[in-house]
Amino acid sequence: DAGVTQSPTHLIKTRGQHVTLRCSPISGHKSVSWYQQVLGQGPQFIFQYYEKEERGRGNFPDRFSARQFPNYSSELNVNALLLGDSALYLCASSSTGAGSREKLFFGSGTQLSVL
Amino acid sequence: AQSVTQLGSHVSVSEGALVLLRCNYSSSVPPYLFWYVQYPNQGLQLLLKYTSAATLVKGINGFEAEFKKSETSFHLTKPSAHMSDAAEYFCAVSEGSWNTDKLIFGTGTRLQVFP
Repeated sequence: DAGVTQSPTHLIKTRGQHVTLRCSPISGHKSVSWYQQVLGQGPQFIFQYYEKEERGRGNFPDRFSARQFPNYSSELNVNALLLGDSALYLCASSSTGAGSREKLFFGSGTQLSVL
Repeated sequence: AQSVTQLGSHVSVSEGALVLLRCNYSSSVPPYLFWYVQYPNQGLQLLLKYTSAATLVKGINGFEAEFKKSETSFHLTKPSAHMSDAAEYFCAVSEGSWNTDKLIFGTGTRLQVFP
């Protein structure tokens, strides 16, 4: 079975541009979460979507947005990119949205570089 | 608010030596605690989790961790290090509700294993 898949794997953008990152959860998983991992730090929670509705939001500016589609895949959008947005963006999925009690499955991430 | 602190950003051991990675938590409610491992250019993989059952938790690859409420600690150990254990290790705590995928991660500990 395929794990959590993310695309693209690497991305280079310039300041002020917009970016869209994509994630496909494990088959049967209805919850997708997004994390930002800046070099040298642990992942930070950005969003969780469960059954296409936002279940949680981290402390990120409104430039960050996300959505979940009927097939449970998800997109993370970032507008007006800043240098500080350079990071590894991780997508995670769980079957019930209770990954804090069960298990989160992480993708390999999208490495975003903002120049 | 929940948080975790990982003591030591880098730990070096010889192959066959004991591995000890330290994690202390802060939580206003009984916590769910996790250890994740991240290999280069990969996402995070769950090693083990504590969810208020047995205080000694056994995980994959020979790792285990002991929950000590009196010390607010959840240290990760392995009796004998292997070269393949070289990776970044993250301690994490659940956000406070079981019904969420939101984890709060520490800053990570990079484990080096020397032959």
